[in-house]
Amino acid sequence: NAGVMQNPRHLVRRRGQEARLRCSPMKGHSHVYWYRQLPEEGLKFMVYLQKENIIDESGMPKERFSAEFPKEGPSILRIQQVVRGDSAAYFCASSPVAGQVGSPLHFGNGTRLTVT
Amino acid sequence: AQTVTQSQPEMSVQEAETVTLSCTYDTSESDYYLFWYKQPPSRQMILVIRQEAYKQQNATENRFSVNFQKAAKSFSLKISDSQLGDAAMYFCAYRRGGSRLTFGEGTQLTVNP
Repeated sequence: NAGVMQNPRHLVRRRGQEARLRCSPMKGHSHVYWYRQLPEEGLKFMVYLQKENIIDESGMPKERFSAEFPKEGPSILRIQQVVRGDSAAYFCASSPVAGQVGSPLHFGNGTRLTVT
Repeated sequence: AQTVTQSQPEMSVQEAETVTLSCTYDTSESDYYLFWYKQPPSRQMILVIRQEAYKQQNATENRFSVNFQKAAKSFSLKISDSQLGDAAMYFCAYRRGGSRLTFGEGTQLTVNP
């Protein structure tokens, strides 16, 4: 399957722990986007990355959240000291190089984070 | 900033009938792209249809078609011959160039047998 791969599918963390969500983009895609979906709501943009570069992090909370997309390996969304309000589905999407303007984003199946 | 508005939180349709989902957006740009995504209970985000703003012709994909009114900034989705498998949350989305997608809040579609 050459689609966007996210893991884990489900993640349970206690308040104060760290959550690490991983995303491998589609083969040939070098742009990764992270979105958060709260229950009964739409997808809210968090961050847009290229390899080793954060392009747009305007949707990221100022504290506790960070993202990276290293030269090798998957993109990681990291949430430190999780709180109950972080419980949500986190989606990763990828797209080809910037030259393919207007191409749709391809989404993974999401990681559902539950904070107890 | 671009915003996308879906004014119908819920819609229902009888199987085999036609339903139209509404979407409006706000932008000062002239060149952009619009999308409809479907999210079934499995949570997978599935691309339904795509429209380039510079094209006047409305996009069509089998039973799915759009009514794109650029001056009115309106982008509605029409589903013909509705099927039970069409039941899902539908999201309208806007994208300019290679930037992020901006989504509406979604419309939950129920298909009644």
